[in-house]
Amino acid sequence: SAVISQKPSRDICQRGTSLTIQCQVDSQVTMMFWYRQQPGQSLTLIATANQGSEATYESGFVIDKFPISRPNLTFSTLTVSNMSPEDSSIYLCSVRKGADTGELFFGEGSRLTVL
Amino acid sequence: QKEVEQNSGPLSVPEGAIASLNCTYSDRGSQSFFWYRQYSGKSPELIMSIYSNGDKEDGRFTAQLNKASQYVSLLIRDSQPSDSATYLCAVNRGPGGYQKVTFGTGTKLQVIP
Repeated sequence: SAVISQKPSRDICQRGTSLTIQCQVDSQVTMMFWYRQQPGQSLTLIATANQGSEATYESGFVIDKFPISRPNLTFSTLTVSNMSPEDSSIYLCSVRKGADTGELFFGEGSRLTVL
Repeated sequence: QKEVEQNSGPLSVPEGAIASLNCTYSDRGSQSFFWYRQYSGKSPELIMSIYSNGDKEDGRFTAQLNKASQYVSLLIRDSQPSDSATYLCAVNRGPGGYQKVTFGTGTKLQVIP
């Protein structure tokens, strides 16, 4: 199993500011995934972070808005830039549990509220 | 059409009954299927994976897959109040070099003591 620590667990932010979420895994992993869960909604994949290469973004998400860093095999950050109230959401970091991409461990999430 | 569809519920069942949760998916090329449980205010946790047609049992949980009908279900026997949570159906699809997990919106289950 993997232990995933996310910081901050929650924050209240002002419109137009940026916030960086950190994700630390207790073991080395090739791929880390960032998801968003808006209130009452399901999980939407933002991007896949690979160590040593640029993140791969899903349709509707762009690097300027959600820059990602992956400096090593145990750590990644997601920045939510120029926030608006529509960015209020839970952001989740995840890693594969097994060989299948669909088997995932999730961090505890970072709940962001943008005023 | 949504890629993964679930009834949002809430589904209310009495304690000790069988809870039946259903999910349909649109992409016939989907390869593997999962059920996650998410307690309120918590992150999702994987409870079942299923890869081939038929039933897969794990304790009180049984996952059922019918690829011809593009249908996945989760049965929870002897439901307990601690099973009250939102259950997310997830589907893994895409070419081998790039696989993507798509989640349904979840079904909220309430087990009434």
